[in-house]
Amino acid sequence: DQQVKQNSPSLSVQEGRISILNCDYTNSMFDYFLWYKKYPAEGPTFLISISSIKDKNEDGRFTVFLNKSAKHLSLHIVPSQPGDSAVYFCAASEQTGRRALTFGSGTRLQVQP
Amino acid sequence: GAGVSQSPRYKVAKRGQDVALRCDPISGHVSLFWYQQALGQGPEFLTYFQNEAQLDKSGLPSDRFFAERPEGSVSTLKIQRTQQEDSAVYLCASSRESLPYNEQFFGPGTRLTVL
Repeated sequence: DQQVKQNSPSLSVQEGRISILNCDYTNSMFDYFLWYKKYPAEGPTFLISISSIKDKNEDGRFTVFLNKSAKHLSLHIVPSQPGDSAVYFCAASEQTGRRALTFGSGTRLQVQP
Repeated sequence: GAGVSQSPRYKVAKRGQDVALRCDPISGHVSLFWYQQALGQGPEFLTYFQNEAQLDKSGLPSDRFFAERPEGSVSTLKIQRTQQEDSAVYLCASSRESLPYNEQFFGPGTRLTVL
């Protein structure tokens, strides 16, 4: 039973446009959410996070939105750049409970020049 | 270096062999995690240490998997009598103890192939 789901295995966008990556979760105990970016042969790199007390967090070109009632979060990248091409993983955790991260299966983003 | 390091980066084992994978966390990070990533999937939690104490080992798939962190720094993940289904990338991550606790920083991983 997947507690964190990324239903789009891949996404292709044009350079300069917005990329929107989506993630759904089922466990209501999750209260901290993270996005990681992964290049081939490297470990995941932390990108941005959001606590459940917020509904939006922004860092430069990256914004994460959280909709707790829908148990849905999204990552917006604008403007998209070719260097953003990678696999993006959504992860969820409990801040004061179990420390383990639960990951989705990833979305491969390709930004076309 | 400043990041999490893992060795070896690649390991090929014959079925039935024992393997040991090493992780050096970021200096000062007291929490250390091991994850297993199968091809095309997200990382899956194996075990968690706070200093030398193994606080959660609920993700270890069988008693062939064993992890230790005897001095609260370097950690070793050992897999005994490897099976083909153990083939995966094994990722180590560390995090600090100040908020936010769960921003974990990952190493490059060890790709294990069991023939």
